[in-house]
Amino acid sequence: AQSVTQLDSHVSVSEGTPVLLRCNYSSSYSPSLFWYVQHPNKGLQLLLKYTSAATLVKGINGFEAEFKKSETSFHLTKPSAHMSDAAEYFCVVSDMNGNKLVFGAGTILRVKS
Amino acid sequence: DTAVSQTPKYLVTQMGNDKSIKCEQNLGHDTMYWYKQDSKKFLKIMFSYNNKELIINETVPNRFSPKSPDKAHLNLHINSLELGDSAVYFCASSQVWTNTEAFFGQGTRLTVV
Repeated sequence: AQSVTQLDSHVSVSEGTPVLLRCNYSSSYSPSLFWYVQHPNKGLQLLLKYTSAATLVKGINGFEAEFKKSETSFHLTKPSAHMSDAAEYFCVVSDMNGNKLVFGAGTILRVKS
Repeated sequence: DTAVSQTPKYLVTQMGNDKSIKCEQNLGHDTMYWYKQDSKKFLKIMFSYNNKELIINETVPNRFSPKSPDKAHLNLHINSLELGDSAVYFCASSQVWTNTEAFFGQGTRLTVV
């Protein structure tokens, strides 16, 4: 079965510094991977997705993620954090048929001024 | 032009009551889902419907009964509500077999008192 481990429950960065949110996945096939963001009391918004095309995926708001099969990782990065990036981020893997998404436990990103 | 809309946004009710949450998508997707987000923000799939047929039921109590009158709607009815049902429920839709992302509604915050 597929699973996702987000290695940090909380990450705190200063505004203008790089962001790194770590995610490792487990899958018996070539997975589809996603990052979703949830701002407080809001729904889930897709940041980016990997579906076996380019391994470096660019998303919205300056975020990107790199799929590394050898490390089974899909870490999310951003060169310079903005206050508006403060939210909870979920790494997600899709099952083989695309019938369901399996979510990681989430990483809360705090951005300090 | 909301892609996935669910109502109500907030629902406060007493234990033992029966309540429904409605969901509609205007994206033309063939698959709809219900996810539950608990107090620790962990998201887990409850049900998945493809072309009005149930394809995933993740060991949810049978007090929860989804109903899909057509491809664009997936409603969730909950009987005999319990305190532990308090959570945020998210509806989502996607087009399976194409590895596209799921689009989420804004969530329904259910509080059972």
